[in-house]
Amino acid sequence: DIVMTQSPDSLAVSLGERATINCKSSQSVLYSSNNKNNLGWYQQKPGQPPKLLIYWASTRESGVPDRFSGSGSGTDFTLTISSLQAEDVAVYYCQQFYSTPYTFGQGTKLEIK
Amino acid sequence: QVQLQESGPGLVKPSGTLSLTCAVSGDSISSRNWWSWVRQSPGKEVEWIGEIYHSGSTNYNPSLKSRVTISVDKSKNQFSLKLTSVTAADTAVYYCARVSAKGHDYWGQGTLVTVSS
Repeated sequence: DIVMTQSPDSLAVSLGERATINCKSSQSVLYSSNNKNNLGWYQQKPGQPPKLLIYWASTRESGVPDRFSGSGSGTDFTLTISSLQAEDVAVYYCQQFYSTPYTFGQGTKLEIK
Repeated sequence: QVQLQESGPGLVKPSGTLSLTCAVSGDSISSRNWWSWVRQSPGKEVEWIGEIYHSGSTNYNPSLKSRVTISVDKSKNQFSLKLTSVTAADTAVYYCARVSAKGHDYWGQGTLVTVSS
């Protein structure tokens, strides 16, 4: 199984400041055939299912604010929120869909400082 | 708008079988997507259970493979999960989701299943 490890486990950021969450996979999730990383980022608010924010490591899902961005390739990835808003308080997960069993990171809890 | 809705018993006895169904609307179960079950334990870990294609092809998490069966009913545009020999460790919120080339892009609201006598 590909192990996904996120850091930090929790993060407190002031409103309007930048938030950065890291995700590392135990092996590359880059498909050489199409040069796409099969890595997604999800946001989960209490009582709700995870919501896809970013796919292919850096492509924003339709309707997701442009303050959310993803970067990285191979085994190291980053989710950045450029200017934290109150509604961004949530748990964020990375997930690889390169190979089954698809696996998720342990989650990063983002709070307001 | 793609929507998924889980249904099934919220309480299952230990050693019993957990059975859930996911009704899909806004997309055909026969489209070029896979259909997945994911669960989230009270400790918040998110675990992929398995997936099915409309042809009946399946992939399961090896950690659960001996106990899991996912099936599809194209006539009802739905798919189902059966998990046998359940224990308290199987208590979780169970989600169904669509798996496209982008990943798990649409999710049901989830249903809490508690294993208890």
